[in-house]
Amino acid sequence: KAGVTQTPRYLIKTRGQQVTLSCSPISGHRSVSWYQQTPGQGLQFLFEYFSETQRNKGNFPGRFSGRQFSNSRSEMNVSTLELGDSALYLCASSFSSTEQYFGPGTRLTVT
Amino acid sequence: QQQVKQSPQSLIVQKGGISIINCAYENTAFDYFPWYQQFPGKGPALLIAIRPDVSEKKEGRFTISFNKSAKQFSLHIMDSQPGDSATYFCAASRVTDKLIFGTGTRLQVFP
Repeated sequence: KAGVTQTPRYLIKTRGQQVTLSCSPISGHRSVSWYQQTPGQGLQFLFEYFSETQRNKGNFPGRFSGRQFSNSRSEMNVSTLELGDSALYLCASSFSSTEQYFGPGTRLTVT
Repeated sequence: QQQVKQSPQSLIVQKGGISIINCAYENTAFDYFPWYQQFPGKGPALLIAIRPDVSEKKEGRFTISFNKSAKQFSLHIMDSQPGDSATYFCAASRVTDKLIFGTGTRLQVFP
């Protein structure tokens, strides 16, 4: 089976802009979770989607949003980018929400 | 109560030695404890996981030891190799809930 894919792999944006990241889960996996990874805060949970519904949400501001499509692909959107949003954004898919398999991530740099 | 505390922050081991990384949790409702391995520029990869109904699980050179009463679990890497040099994360979760990650341990194995 192909692994989790994320696009784009690298992104440079300017403060105030918005960005959309995409994640394609492993075939058959219906759960997609998003995490933010930074050197200072480590891996922090953003949200999880299961069958197009947000099932769990982390403690991030409303500028961070996501959605899931009927084919389980997911997108994450960050509006009004801030310098502190620079991070590696990781998507993980799972069949049952326990064994999560991560993609390679999208490295977002906000200048 | 949601935290997972991981130690040490960094670890240097000689080739052939044993690497030991420890984690402690507070929430007794957690029932899934995975370990992830992350190489630079890559997403975390699921290494091994355990549920609280067993005290030890071994897969090749990797072993998880689990102490339910102490609310602690650890990863042992036997016969450590330079290729094991990576950052290791422990995590914990309840069924269908988000993963709570430890802060990571950077392992360096020298020849």
